[in-house]
Amino acid sequence: ETGVTQTPRHLVMGMTNKKSLKCEQHLGHNAMYWYKQSAKKPLELMFVYSLEERVENNSVPSRFSPECPNSSHLFLHLHTLQPEDSALYLCASSQDIGQGSDEQFFGPGTRLTVL
Amino acid sequence: GQSLEQPSEVTAVEGAIVQINCTYQTSGFYGLSWYQQHDGGAPTFLSYNALDGLEETGRFSSFLSRSDSYGYLLLQELQMKDSASYFCAVRDTGGFKTIFGAGTRLFVKA
Repeated sequence: ETGVTQTPRHLVMGMTNKKSLKCEQHLGHNAMYWYKQSAKKPLELMFVYSLEERVENNSVPSRFSPECPNSSHLFLHLHTLQPEDSALYLCASSQDIGQGSDEQFFGPGTRLTVL
Repeated sequence: GQSLEQPSEVTAVEGAIVQINCTYQTSGFYGLSWYQQHDGGAPTFLSYNALDGLEETGRFSSFLSRSDSYGYLLLQELQMKDSASYFCAVRDTGGFKTIFGAGTRLFVKA
């Protein structure tokens, strides 16, 4: 595997379900990100981790819970979601944060539908 | 508030030149980036400007004027494969937060 991978690619869940999204980066980067992409709206930054520590929590509802067990893996735990949470969830990584070009490498995303 | 403004759609013909503008209003500024996203694909990094001026990378160039809070992406010798969405993004003060524009959908016609 190369780059940034995400599983699952598609997820349909009910509002009472609990599910998790997984992201893995094979680039040796120190920073990882979760973004939400909804139709016709800008990419919304949700969480930023640097060296496994959360450095940004962009006013995200508590029904989204991130976890970063090591610098290569990032999870987004979902519970009691709402239909408006349906979107494409993108994971990204970068070498570091706060330095240089901040070039971010994105995974293919998880298309989430909440019924 | 913090915002980035860019046109929602641009149409151009194959072989032409197109410019996608981006104006920003943010509480801090480290640099302006551009990303490309094809339908069904992941955003991919194109360029980054931290200082005023033009950066050229092959057919793509990016410009920044910090005093005007303005930048643009210039695509030359357009090809059909350039049809995609293009996002400008600002790295906020502290470098932890990247704010994206809503994206410009580019249609390249034969």
